Amino acid sequence: DSGVTQTPKHLITATGQRVTLRCSPRSGDLSVYWYQQSLDQGLQFLIQYYNGEERAKGNILERFSAQQFPDLHSELNLSSLELGDSALYFCASSVGASGRGNEQFFGPGTRLTVL
Amino acid sequence: DAKTTQPPSMDCAEGRAANLPCNHSTISGNEYVYWYRQIHSQGPQYIIHGLKNNETNEMASLIITEDRKSSTLILPHATLRDTAVYYCIVSSNTNAGKSTFGDGTTLTVKP
Repeated sequence: DSGVTQTPKHLITATGQRVTLRCSPRSGDLSVYWYQQSLDQGLQFLIQYYNGEERAKGNILERFSAQQFPDLHSELNLSSLELGDSALYFCASSVGASGRGNEQFFGPGTRLTVL
Repeated sequence: DAKTTQPPSMDCAEGRAANLPCNHSTISGNEYVYWYRQIHSQGPQYIIHGLKNNETNEMASLIITEDRKSSTLILPHATLRDTAVYYCIVSSNTNAGKSTFGDGTTLTVKP
């Protein structure tokens, strides 16, 4: 158990819909990262927040957005869903924003299926 | 961030040492080498990281060459539960969020 929690574990929805994925970081961690892993593909970095502020952005679609709240939990919002958005979505957290304290601890993931 | 190159797959006999190589020839001075592994579709698990010195923890050892252009992750006594995809990434001191996970190495530990 990494200490990072993600809800829900599974999500099935239809094209065009909007969903929200939730992540609670490990106690004391200030950074939260979101990754997407499609079938048979590697982890794609989406976005990082550090202490409430956006820190780094990866290949995140405009239909996707995220935020980190004052209690440090984070939400990833996916809208106008397409079949290709079906994937595992992982959240990770770390103590720092960069450098030595950046070992990331991953949650169990949310499996999103778009029908 | 620097790119990494890893062999797509490796086999190892149970109980033997597994040595997983990683090439990061474009690594810059402020970039750390991190290793993670992912068992089936579980969340990736942090293993170890280093800057330029060799590192060891309860899971593995990390050997970084003197020129820092490559590294080797060593699992000293591989077990069947070590079968996983192993990712080597480099992460800068200033923009570590953009860690790039490549395809990794699929390590299969055989009885």
